[in-house]
Amino acid sequence: GENVEQHPSTLSVQEGDSAVIKCTYSDSASNYFPWYKQELGKGPQLIIDIRSNVGEKKDQRIAVTLNKTAKHFSLHITETQPEDSAVYFCAATMNTGFQKLVFGTGTRLLVSP
Amino acid sequence: DAEITQSPRHKITETGRQVTLACHQIWNHNNMFWYRQDLGHGLRLIHYSYGVHDTNKGEVSDGYSVSRSNTEDLPLTLESAASSQTSVYFCASSELGANEQFFGPGTRLTVL
Repeated sequence: GENVEQHPSTLSVQEGDSAVIKCTYSDSASNYFPWYKQELGKGPQLIIDIRSNVGEKKDQRIAVTLNKTAKHFSLHITETQPEDSAVYFCAATMNTGFQKLVFGTGTRLLVSP
Repeated sequence: DAEITQSPRHKITETGRQVTLACHQIWNHNNMFWYRQDLGHGLRLIHYSYGVHDTNKGEVSDGYSVSRSNTEDLPLTLESAASSQTSVYFCASSELGANEQFFGPGTRLTVL
């Protein structure tokens, strides 16, 4: 089955810096890769996703890149703000319509003012 | 956005007791999922359902059961609670054929 590894487990940056979180996956059949943000005391919420036919996707200050050959994908947050502080999860799945996600172990991002 | 609720939000129980965690979504999503979240393990899938009367085991299903008698609800039952089941439990739902999962606020369960 699919296995997703996520690094780093914690990441501390200064406000305005960029943050990068990396994930690798094992199953070459996986073709959908979402990123979820979890704020304290809440459930995870989808912030961006990418499909295997695309190498990069941007949405304002966040972007995701995908390298299918190397089986890794990354989340990039630019101009970080204190409200970006949260736990971020990557996930992978075969986009067969059954939406059974395999999640990484999470990265706690702390943005200091 | 989907609205999905979980109850109770916090629960303390004793080893050996049966516990049921409720999950209710108002959007008639076909797909519903239960995850547990533990430090160092991320979110792990316990059970999932693609529709009424359909249930499937996930990665960590031992000691848990679910039933789907209607579209809106997927209760999770711990038949005989164990200390290893102390965790935060999240329910999620998604539309048929859609990828985005909408998560509830979570239930923190402590088994003493």
